[in-house]
Amino acid sequence: SQQGEEDPQALSIQEGENATMNCSYKTSINNLQWYRQNSGRGLVHLILIRSNEREKHSGRLRVTLDTSKKSSSLLITASRAADTASYFCATEETSGSRLTFGEGTQLTVNP
Amino acid sequence: KAGVTQTPRYLIKTRGQQVTLSCSPISGHRSVSWYQQTPGQGLQFLFEYFSETQRNKGNFPGRFSGRQFSNSRSEMNVSTLELGDSALYLCASSRKETVGSPLHFGNGTRLTVT
Repeated sequence: SQQGEEDPQALSIQEGENATMNCSYKTSINNLQWYRQNSGRGLVHLILIRSNEREKHSGRLRVTLDTSKKSSSLLITASRAADTASYFCATEETSGSRLTFGEGTQLTVNP
Repeated sequence: KAGVTQTPRYLIKTRGQQVTLSCSPISGHRSVSWYQQTPGQGLQFLFEYFSETQRNKGNFPGRFSGRQFSNSRSEMNVSTLELGDSALYLCASSRKETVGSPLHFGNGTRLTVT
């Protein structure tokens, strides 16, 4: 079963616009991670935010975490066509060491 | 450093057959995890190995098994293949010595069962 639910399932924007994806989860976590997957390829780790952090930045990425609402968001600023991919949130639960993935958001950035 | 290598890249098998998939982790990584990815179920955790021991197992039938060797390379085996086993099988390695080690994925093995 999936720990996280991502919203929206699909997002289509123009180059230069910002893209925001949301993730909700159900249990207590050690950290939440975001990954990107290009079609037919493996996942690539983007950013990790720990449960005691509220916001983190990495280049054009900004991640927020609200543990009281059990939700996170990923913001990609000034998007590029090369950002077209599926984006997944993944949670590392306090009860175990496995990483549980959400269902993903398919982002399309139109040139 | 070389990335995670999975072989073969593509595989076509018939129902009832068995299959073995291979994964070579990044050098120095002792944890290897396996995931099944399908359009309907998304990414489902299969199992995790650390220093040759299975540390975690997902909710899959006993037909799915795995192992890890002393050099951290891992294999997973699926016996008595069913049509529903058609999926992208992803292997990921990490240091996993501390909480919060990110996973490094291979490009997967695309298994088609006919």
